[in-house]
Amino acid sequence: RKEVEQDPGPFNVPEGATVAFNCTYSNSASQSFFWYRQDCRKEPKLLMSVYSSGNEDGRFTAQLNRASQYISLLIRDSKLSDSATYLCVVVRPGTYKYIFGTGTRLKVLA
Amino acid sequence: NAGVTQTPKFQVLKTGQSMTLQCAQDMNHNSMYWYRQDPGMGLRLIYYSASEGTTDKGEVPNGYNVSRLNKREFSLRLESAAPSQTSVYFCASLRADSNQPQHFGDGTRLSIL
Repeated sequence: RKEVEQDPGPFNVPEGATVAFNCTYSNSASQSFFWYRQDCRKEPKLLMSVYSSGNEDGRFTAQLNRASQYISLLIRDSKLSDSATYLCVVVRPGTYKYIFGTGTRLKVLA
Repeated sequence: NAGVTQTPKFQVLKTGQSMTLQCAQDMNHNSMYWYRQDPGMGLRLIYYSASEGTTDKGEVPNGYNVSRLNKREFSLRLESAAPSQTSVYFCASLRADSNQPQHFGDGTRLSIL
């Protein structure tokens, strides 16, 4: 089993839709999680950290499910500008190694 | 504030040539990283430096060497470039602990012919 797994998509959704992505991780001791956004051929940019109690930033909500070992990202009221690849990141416990998923591609359609 | 700066942005090499990719950060971060990104593979860690004076291998270190020159700079060297090293290379830095996000440079696009 891969350390971090994501559905590659693409997820094609109309403007205004709500879309959710999951990311599973294999190491139950993992403590630190992040969502990054990457536009085509650009560097990854931090979207949000994932806190154990869940957290929200505007239209974006991140949640952690420790029992099932996954994190999720919910995007409400999708905009055309949300079209990008979303990368989940899990920090390997006891190290400074950040493990990236392969990304989930989102296309928001007009 | 420049953040993380990578040079060069683009490079084309012939098989067997050597080159060094440069990375510098001005955020006083302790840890620095080199990744490569290939289509469908996500970002894979080549080497990282948890602090000045230390370097460690990541998932795909073969064919690369690194130098943590000082706290600001972390370079990646290809001694004898191979076509399999054609990729986009990203440098990242991290402040001090693993509860913080990494900050990325805008990448070096490297083609080996």
